[in-house]
Amino acid sequence: KQEVTQIPAALSVPEGENLVLNCSFTDSAIYNLQWFRQDPGKGLTSLLLIQSSQREQTSGRLNASLDKSSGRSTLYIAASQPGDSATYLCAVRQGTGGFKTIFGAGTRLFVKA
Amino acid sequence: DGGITQSPKYLFRKEGQNVTLSCEQNLNHDAMYWYRQDPGQGLRLIYYSQIVNDFQKGDIAEGYSVSREKKESFPLTVTSAQKNPTAFYLCASSMDTSPNSPLHFGNGTRLTVT
Repeated sequence: KQEVTQIPAALSVPEGENLVLNCSFTDSAIYNLQWFRQDPGKGLTSLLLIQSSQREQTSGRLNASLDKSSGRSTLYIAASQPGDSATYLCAVRQGTGGFKTIFGAGTRLFVKA
Repeated sequence: DGGITQSPKYLFRKEGQNVTLSCEQNLNHDAMYWYRQDPGQGLRLIYYSQIVNDFQKGDIAEGYSVSREKKESFPLTVTSAQKNPTAFYLCASSMDTSPNSPLHFGNGTRLTVT
């Protein structure tokens, strides 16, 4: 059974710092991995989607990497800003069994001004 | 502007009452989903629908029911049989259920049952 873990559960950093959020999954038979942002009391906004054949994806100050064999993905945020404060969730799309999406519990990020 | 609309944003109900959460999309997506989010846990799938007039149970369907009479609409009913209904409920859609079809989410409904 696929399990997705995000560590740490919460992170507080000063503005301007580069940071890395981690996501690990137990079953490497994934189709893709997606990173989402969730603001308090809101829905999820897709940030980056990495196909299983890809190693990384970039969008602005965000870079997501995928190492399928080791069951790990990282989300790198450059030059963090207070507006980056949110919860970041990763989700894996299963490669078998109906292409289910399994979500991690998220990392709550707070960027201090 | 295309998107997913969930209403209401907040919902309060007494224990023992059924309650229906609304989800409407104008993205022309075939697939729609209901997830439940609890503090410290990942999203869990309640029900999903690949096409009009068809839906399947997800991982935690007990105590919930859905209908899909129109492509745009996928309402979720939380029945009195759901033992722990207080949670944040998220509706999502995708073009179809193929793995390359990204999920788009509404802004959620927070249900509190006392």
